[in-house]
Amino acid sequence: QKEVEQDPGPLSVPEGAIVSLNCTYSNSAFQYFMWYRQYSRKGPELLMYTYSSGNKEDGRFTAQVDKSSKYISLFIRDSQPSDSATYLCAMTLTDSWGKFQFGAGTQVVVTP
Amino acid sequence: GAVVSQHPSWVICKSGTSVKIECRSLDFQATTMFWYRQFPKQSLMLMATSNEGSKATYEQGVEKDKFLINHASLTLSTLTVTSAHPEDSSFYICSASDGAQAEQYFGPGTRLTVT
Repeated sequence: QKEVEQDPGPLSVPEGAIVSLNCTYSNSAFQYFMWYRQYSRKGPELLMYTYSSGNKEDGRFTAQVDKSSKYISLFIRDSQPSDSATYLCAMTLTDSWGKFQFGAGTQVVVTP
Repeated sequence: GAVVSQHPSWVICKSGTSVKIECRSLDFQATTMFWYRQFPKQSLMLMATSNEGSKATYEQGVEKDKFLINHASLTLSTLTVTSAHPEDSSFYICSASDGAQAEQYFGPGTRLTVT
């Protein structure tokens, strides 16, 4: 079993809809949770970064962490065709800065 | 801020030759740099972690003599793929951290094709 599970998609939504992405994990010691966006043949770009449980909002993006369920989510409101990309979740322990465990990534397609 | 560059962006080499990939942090000091490999439609796999002035720490299954990593300064790390083979063809991505928090900033990646 992988430490981080993420549905690879593709997830297709119409423009303006809410995109809902999630990851589950098995290691309860993870404390930092990140979401990255990766366009084809490009490096990942950090979107959201949360510590421990709770919600965080930044513009059209909302990240949620539920440590009791070992489940994290990313919501994208008012989706645009430019949001079409692969979204990767990542997480790390507090005592291993930078040693991230990545999900496989979910491909999102926003259709005009 | 927090810009990381990689050079080259793509490279084609013949089997048996060596290829060097550079990773630079342009506007911050990267105390730690990470090298990842990503195969098509797969996630990033950490290859090694390097701290400035120290030997790199390799992940299990990664040959340190094949993937030579040098982190000689706070803004530059290099990955050299020695005696490359077609199975080394992949997308190599570096990331950098200033150590102050858990964030990593990724470079744009280098696509290596070994013929």
